Amino acid sequence: GNSVTQMEGPVTLSEEAFLTINCTYTATGYPSLFWYVQYPGEGLQLLLKATKADDKGSNKGFEATYRKETTSFHLEKGSVQVSDSAVYFCAPNYGGSQGNLIFGKGTKLSVKP
Amino acid sequence: DTGVSQDPRHKITKRGQNVTFRCDPISEHNRLYWYRQTLGQGPEFLTYFQNEAQLEKSRLLSNRFSAERPKGSFSTLEIQRTEQGDSAMYLCASSLTGVAGNTIYFGEGSWLTVV
Repeated sequence: GNSVTQMEGPVTLSEEAFLTINCTYTATGYPSLFWYVQYPGEGLQLLLKATKADDKGSNKGFEATYRKETTSFHLEKGSVQVSDSAVYFCAPNYGGSQGNLIFGKGTKLSVKP
Repeated sequence: DTGVSQDPRHKITKRGQNVTFRCDPISEHNRLYWYRQTLGQGPEFLTYFQNEAQLEKSRLLSNRFSAERPKGSFSTLEIQRTEQGDSAMYLCASSLTGVAGNTIYFGEGSWLTVV
């Protein structure tokens, strides 16, 4: 079945460091791609999305580009802040009869001052 | 515009008891989803509704789990004869349609602890 793979965490960075979290998805079909963020004890919040190849999603300084040729949707931020500490989930949605998101384990990010 | 709301936010129950969680989706959304999330894992899809029709329930974890959305608005998730392994966060989400590009919005989750 369809799946998503994210880089293993935890990722620990100093404030203002550059962030990359890798995400690849299975190439079956043509999914829409999402990044969600989860702060401790809370539900998931949409961070950004892209619905077709070469689209770039962006929000709050985070960016990710839909790369169909490499089936990837890597998350980047040029300068992280302590408040970015959270768990990040990459999730494709293949639509069709279910139209639900597929999640991996997520990547925990800790940013130190 | 209110988001997805879930109730209760926290529930502690004794093993063997039944529990029910309620979800109120974003008002115009016709799709409603239930997920389960255990510590250190990503959300796991359980079931979903389009309006009042439950279109996928094969992923419900056992026949102790059931969900309803009787009038196509709010939904309930019931767990009968709870077990310690049911301890998790239960997430509800909704979207406008089933189109893959539509954003799925999540509630804050309902934490279940079975003792």
